[in-house]
Amino acid sequence: ETGVTQTPRHLVMGMTNKKSLKCEQHLGHNAMYWYKQSAKKPLELMFVYSLEERVENNSVPSRFSPECPNSSHLFLHLHTLQPEDSALYLCASSQGLGRAQNTEAFFGQGTRLTVV
Amino acid sequence: DAKTTQPNSMESNEEEPVHLPCNHSTISGTDYIHWYRQLPSQGPEYVIHGLTSNVNNRMASLAIAEDRKSSTLILHRATLRDAAVYYCILLNSGGSNYKLTFGKGTLLTVNP
Repeated sequence: ETGVTQTPRHLVMGMTNKKSLKCEQHLGHNAMYWYKQSAKKPLELMFVYSLEERVENNSVPSRFSPECPNSSHLFLHLHTLQPEDSALYLCASSQGLGRAQNTEAFFGQGTRLTVV
Repeated sequence: DAKTTQPNSMESNEEEPVHLPCNHSTISGTDYIHWYRQLPSQGPEYVIHGLTSNVNNRMASLAIAEDRKSSTLILHRATLRDAAVYYCILLNSGGSNYKLTFGKGTLLTVNP
């Protein structure tokens, strides 16, 4: 248990569906992240939120839409996905940004997404 | 961003020490060396980090070369639960380089 909870753990969706991934942390952190991990590829950073504001969007297609309503919750809204979007989606949180000397990120267990 | 180079895979026997190397020849003076690991079917977890001096914690030790161009993560007694992909990552303490950028890492196999 890392303190970062992701739901659902597994999701199968059709290309025309709309679904949302949820991430929750009660560690008092103020930065949250979405990562994507495709099979046999390194983790890719998708979005970064600091104090509920998006500070990074790594050229992610608009069919992925993040939302951070408060510092404890992060969502990833999905619509009209493609089969190549099937991957493990990981959420992480940390206390602050740009503090490499003591920035420890905590990851959730991820949502395994399959697009059919 | 300064890059790191790690072997693709390593093997170890249970209860033996494991030394996981990482090369970072272009490291800058303000780059911290972080290690994470990812167990099967889980998200990555923090292991250890350091700047210049060697570091120890309950999980592992980090040995940093004097010129800081390489470092070694040491697991003193490997267990089967240490089988994972280990990532060596550089994080700069200045500016807004907050990004944890993962490479391919080293896949550690622990034999019983």
